[in-house]
Amino acid sequence: EIVLTQSPGTLSLSPGERATLSCRASQSVSSGYLAWYQQKPGQAPRLLIYGASSRATGIPDRFSGSGSGTDFTLTISRLEPEDFAVYYCQQYGSSFTFGPGTKVDI
Amino acid sequence: EVQLVESGGGLVQPGRSLRLSCTSSGFTFRDFAMTWVRQAPGKGLEWVAFIRSKSYGGTSDYAASVQGRFTISRDDSTSIAYLQMSSLSTEDTAVYYCSRAIRTGGRYYFDSWGQGALVTVSS
Repeated sequence: EIVLTQSPGTLSLSPGERATLSCRASQSVSSGYLAWYQQKPGQAPRLLIYGASSRATGIPDRFSGSGSGTDFTLTISRLEPEDFAVYYCQQYGSSFTFGPGTKVDI
Repeated sequence: EVQLVESGGGLVQPGRSLRLSCTSSGFTFRDFAMTWVRQAPGKGLEWVAFIRSKSYGGTSDYAASVQGRFTISRDDSTSIAYLQMSSLSTEDTAVYYCSRAIRTGGRYYFDSWGQGALVTVSS
């Protein structure tokens, strides 16, 4: 099973700042089959990024994904108030596993 | 608009069974794989079960934690996906989300999610 580790656990930032979230896999994620989801309290997760770097429909371009192999990054270029949430990475190259999440708070 | 609505959650005693339903609309259900993901209170996301479309064999996969106890199924005539859960334990207490899965290169990611159904296992 591919284990995903996310860092940091919590990221404290202000609106307008840049957020850089890391996701590391215990083994290579084939063909960049890596997704990112955003979850706000009391809500279902929302797909942001798939294929490591492709934005899902309707996702603002301040969200971008990058990486390959075992190291992946989600970048939020300028934080908006609605971006404060928990972010999960997920690999789908070998079954499915989620990372533990990174909380982005003010 | 894609809509997924879970139902069937509630309070159940340890060792008992429960069936969740995921009623879908806004897309051609039979063409898509479906999956269930759960989230224990205050915890992260855990994939539970997955079922392919009939076009790709209709086969299913399970997380090790539920293998042999949970069964995922689908009824393409009514656009409903099911999760039959048996031998429930307190560790199965969670919000259960159903999600539509998009196939790409033979792999699947989850693009649309329901609002979730709470399952509480307690005596």
